[in-house]
Amino acid sequence: DIQMTQSPSSLSASVGDRVTITCRASQTTTNNLNWYQQEAGKAPKLLIYGTSTLQRGVPSRFSGSGSGTDFTLTISSLQPEDFATYYCQQTYSIPYTFGQGTKVDIK
Amino acid sequence: EVKLVESGGGLVKPGESLRLSCAASGFTFSNAWMNWVRQVPGKGLEWVGRIKSKSDGGTADYAAPVKGRFIISRDDSRNTLYLQMYSLKNEDTGFYYCMTARFAPWGQGTLVTVSS
Repeated sequence: DIQMTQSPSSLSASVGDRVTITCRASQTTTNNLNWYQQEAGKAPKLLIYGTSTLQRGVPSRFSGSGSGTDFTLTISSLQPEDFATYYCQQTYSIPYTFGQGTKVDIK
Repeated sequence: EVKLVESGGGLVKPGESLRLSCAASGFTFSNAWMNWVRQVPGKGLEWVGRIKSKSDGGTADYAAPVKGRFIISRDDSRNTLYLQMYSLKNEDTGFYYCMTARFAPWGQGTLVTVSS
């Protein structure tokens, strides 16, 4: 199984900050990497698929990059509605494993 | 608009069975590969399994913790996905979500609680 490791596990940031979350796979996932956002008490929402393609309706302040085993989710200017938990997931091989999550809260 | 509505969750005792349903609309269900994902409240996400479309063989794959206990099936005439769960364990407790191969959108999930 491909293990997905996110860092950090949590971070505190202010509105307007640039935030970067990393996700490392134990073996290559090519570019089959998704990012999700989960607000408290809600179901997750797909933000980015295929490493860097924004899901329809997702603000352009979100971006994804990387390849192989190392991936990054960047929020260019953190907004109040972005305080949430973020997960990466590889869809390269079964089982489709998730990272453990990164909680972004208010500094 | 793609819509997925999960149902069938509830409180069961360890060792019991439960069947979850996922009603799909807004897309050609029969052509879709479908997934189940679960989440223990307050914890992370875990992929449960996937079923291919019948035209691609209709076979299912499962995560190791549920293999041999869970069965994913589909009724394309009813646009419905199922997750039959047997020999439930405490650690199967959580919200269960169904979704397409695109992993979007997510429904509201259905809560399964396994407790004596």
